[in-house]
Amino acid sequence: QKEVEQNSGPLSVPEGAIASLNCTYSDRVSQSFFWYRQYSGKSPELIMSIYSNGDKEDGRFTAQLNKASQYVSLLIRDSQPSDSATYLCAVKTGNQFYFGTGTSLTVIP
Amino acid sequence: GAVVSQHPSWVICKSGTSVKIECRSLDFQATTMFWYRQFPKQSLMLMATSNEGSKATYEQGVEKDKFLINHASLTLSTLTVTSAHPEDSSFYICSARPVGTDYYGTDTQYFGPGTRLTVL
Repeated sequence: QKEVEQNSGPLSVPEGAIASLNCTYSDRVSQSFFWYRQYSGKSPELIMSIYSNGDKEDGRFTAQLNKASQYVSLLIRDSQPSDSATYLCAVKTGNQFYFGTGTSLTVIP
Repeated sequence: GAVVSQHPSWVICKSGTSVKIECRSLDFQATTMFWYRQFPKQSLMLMATSNEGSKATYEQGVEKDKFLINHASLTLSTLTVTSAHPEDSSFYICSARPVGTDYYGTDTQYFGPGTRLTVL
């Protein structure tokens, strides 16, 4: 079983809509969770980190964590074409970071 | 803040040669640096974890004699791909964890821009 699982997509949403990205993880003791954005040919860029159950908002981005269900999600409000990228979910367990395979998002103008 | 650089950004070399990639944290010190490899349309694959002043920890399946890692200071780690072959062609990305962020609630890692290696 993979440590971190994401739907590979592609996920397409119209401009202005809400994009919802989901991630599940296998290890209950995982405590730190991250979302990265990666444009094609570029390295990942940190968008959000979340450590406690509930929602964390930063601008148009909201991360949601539910440790009991072992999932973490990312909502992007008012999606823009510039949000088109691959979004990587990362989970830190112990001293190790585990990455999902990423979800490809396309925002259609 | 939290800028990580890599050099070179791209390199083309002949089969059998060795290539050194540098990873530097520019505005912070990093006790731990990570090296990843990413093939086209695939996710990041952790190759090794590098701690300043000690030997790197390699992931299963990664040849430590082929991918030499040196983390001599708190701001610099190097990856040397020895006797490179075409199958080593990939996008190599480093990341760095700032000193003092190894505990819950602050831990994160910042990525360098990557080095694209092509072995002919």
